[in-house]
Amino acid sequence: DADVTQTPRNRITKTGKRIMLECSQTKGHDRMYWYRQDPGLGLRLIYYSFDVKDINKGEISDGYSVSRQAQAKFSLSLESAIPNQTALYFCATSDFTRNYGYTFGSGTRLTVV
Amino acid sequence: SQQGEEDPQALSIQEGENATMNCSYKTSINNLQWYRQNSGRGLVHLILIRSNEREKHSGRLRVTLDTSKKSSSLLITASRAADTASYFCATDTGANNLFFGTGTRLTVIP
Repeated sequence: DADVTQTPRNRITKTGKRIMLECSQTKGHDRMYWYRQDPGLGLRLIYYSFDVKDINKGEISDGYSVSRQAQAKFSLSLESAIPNQTALYFCATSDFTRNYGYTFGSGTRLTVV
Repeated sequence: SQQGEEDPQALSIQEGENATMNCSYKTSINNLQWYRQNSGRGLVHLILIRSNEREKHSGRLRVTLDTSKKSSSLLITASRAADTASYFCATDTGANNLFFGTGTRLTVIP
């Protein structure tokens, strides 16, 4: 099994729908992150969490919410999807030192029509 | 923005040649990391170099860091077709985030 698992892998949804992207990890890391990738813009941080009770906004949190259900699970929700949220979404984890880099999931390709 | 910028945006070389990618950034850093991404897949961590280090090696990878110029380079020696991917630098400034560049798309022609 992958260290960081994201579901679904691909999703097409309609404008205005609520959608949840899920992430689970087996690394035992406390820190988890949600990133969005758009062509030509690199990765941008949406939300991050250092433990179950610690949730923080990133660069582009508007229109998104998150839930840290357990140390191993971190989900991202789009409350009312809009077309410009069409992107590739990545979950990542790191240990508290961040000295060994981030471990990324395989991504969710989300299309909002 | 604290985001790094990679140069060139795209690079095409023959198998067996060396590939060099550069990264420039804007603020002081704790470390700089390089990641690889195969098309549409997740990023894979390649190497981390701390601000007090100038050069680091890992297999066919060589990374240099010049904090006075706020720049880093990634050298892949003896490239292989399987090295075809996008490569990103990411800076850790000590804030609660990694700032990623926009990537270099490397194509290695067999």
